[in-house]
Amino acid sequence: SQTIHQWPATLVQPVGSPLSLECTVEGTSNPNLYWYRQAAGRGLQLLFYSVGIGQISSEVPQNLSASRPQDRQFILSSKKLLLSDSGFYLCAWRAGRYSNQPQHFGDGTRLSIL
Amino acid sequence: KNQVEQSPQSLIILEGKNCTLQCNYTVSPFSNLRWYKQDTGRGPVSLTIMTFSENTKSNGRYTATLDADTKQSSLHITASQLSDSASYICVVSAGGGSYIPTFGRGTSLIVHP
Repeated sequence: SQTIHQWPATLVQPVGSPLSLECTVEGTSNPNLYWYRQAAGRGLQLLFYSVGIGQISSEVPQNLSASRPQDRQFILSSKKLLLSDSGFYLCAWRAGRYSNQPQHFGDGTRLSIL
Repeated sequence: KNQVEQSPQSLIILEGKNCTLQCNYTVSPFSNLRWYKQDTGRGPVSLTIMTFSENTKSNGRYTATLDADTKQSSLHITASQLSDSASYICVVSAGGGSYIPTFGRGTSLIVHP
């Protein structure tokens, strides 16, 4: 069966420090991968999505970047964190390009910037 | 612009009672609509999916309806339990090979004993 792993579960970082969040998927190949951010009491905001290795699309201009070095690995990074980067970050995968497939979410990373 | 609006924003009910959550969307061309349940501190989990030709779909005590003409959906929860306390998110996907579904902001449901 397919599983998705995100780590770390919680992270506290000072302003200006770098960031690396990792997401890996098991049990499937060539998934579509997504990074979302969820602010308190708000909906999910799509940050990046990827349809293949090395293919990254950004949805909003921001302080973050994403990379997909392997088929089932998706990394969210920043060189210098801002206070506004605080939030709940969710990784998701979906089988292929067909929209009738569900997105499967990891359990998220709670990021607090001090 | 594709949009999904949910109401109410939050809801408090007593255990055992029923409730109905609403979702209105403007997504074109429409492909399908999903309801997700998100427990606090966890990722969302899909409850139901509905395509254009479906009016009603049930998953245990959850029943979703879809009116494609008025572009409205509802999620009805019967005989609520404490474990139903969560955020319920309506997500609409467009056709035409779109990779990006449109998310509503969710309804926060609290079930009190």
